[in-house]
Amino acid sequence: SSELTQDPAVSVALGQTVRITCRGDSLRTYYPSWYQQKPGQAPVLVVYGKNNRPSGIPDRFSGSSSGDTASLTITGAQAEDEGDFYCNSRDSSGHHVVFGGGTKLTVL
Amino acid sequence: EVQLEQSGAEVKKPGESLKISCKGSGYSFSFYRIVWVRQMPGKGLEWMGTIYPGDSETTYSPSFQGQVTISADKSVSTAYLQWTSLKASDTAMYYCARRGPVDVFDYWGRGTQVTVAS
Repeated sequence: SSELTQDPAVSVALGQTVRITCRGDSLRTYYPSWYQQKPGQAPVLVVYGKNNRPSGIPDRFSGSSSGDTASLTITGAQAEDEGDFYCNSRDSSGHHVVFGGGTKLTVL
Repeated sequence: EVQLEQSGAEVKKPGESLKISCKGSGYSFSFYRIVWVRQMPGKGLEWMGTIYPGDSETTYSPSFQGQVTISADKSVSTAYLQWTSLKASDTAMYYCARRGPVDVFDYWGRGTQVTVAS
């Protein structure tokens, strides 16, 4: 399968922990990367590989993978973390790129 | 500083042609792949294709193969996305992004809004 599946929406109370998941067969072979997109802005890489963050991304963002499921965890969610989160990987063939459908995160 | 500068918003009529651009700076443009990503209004990200500017090797998503053409001119550090005959359904924001050293899209352009309407 070349698809990555995400829950459409997730909410979290301010300061609490939230997990955003991504499922797909290709995740058994390839680590995902995660992107945050705020309204009217381009996506921003937040986590990639086994559990790596680009410079400038707060350490409350972390990633993990097991089998066909990958997760992005935000520990101590802040108001500015609201936005859409997309997972991304290669498809099972390795030749094409796939994005998950995105998860809208609301911080209550 | 790595930057991807995209061309400005476009308003076109159905059937017209269009070529939008993505100019890289602050790095060796020839050596990093550029991807194009579509985002239709209120929808998610869709990978359209990838080009390696060094030799213009291009891979297209099956969904976009034959619908668009991706090209690059390494002499001016610019990648392009073009249509020969636009449709209303091509209305979307189009992003370019650099595929970095660890196979992630580490830098993104701000996007080019394309509106196709009669």
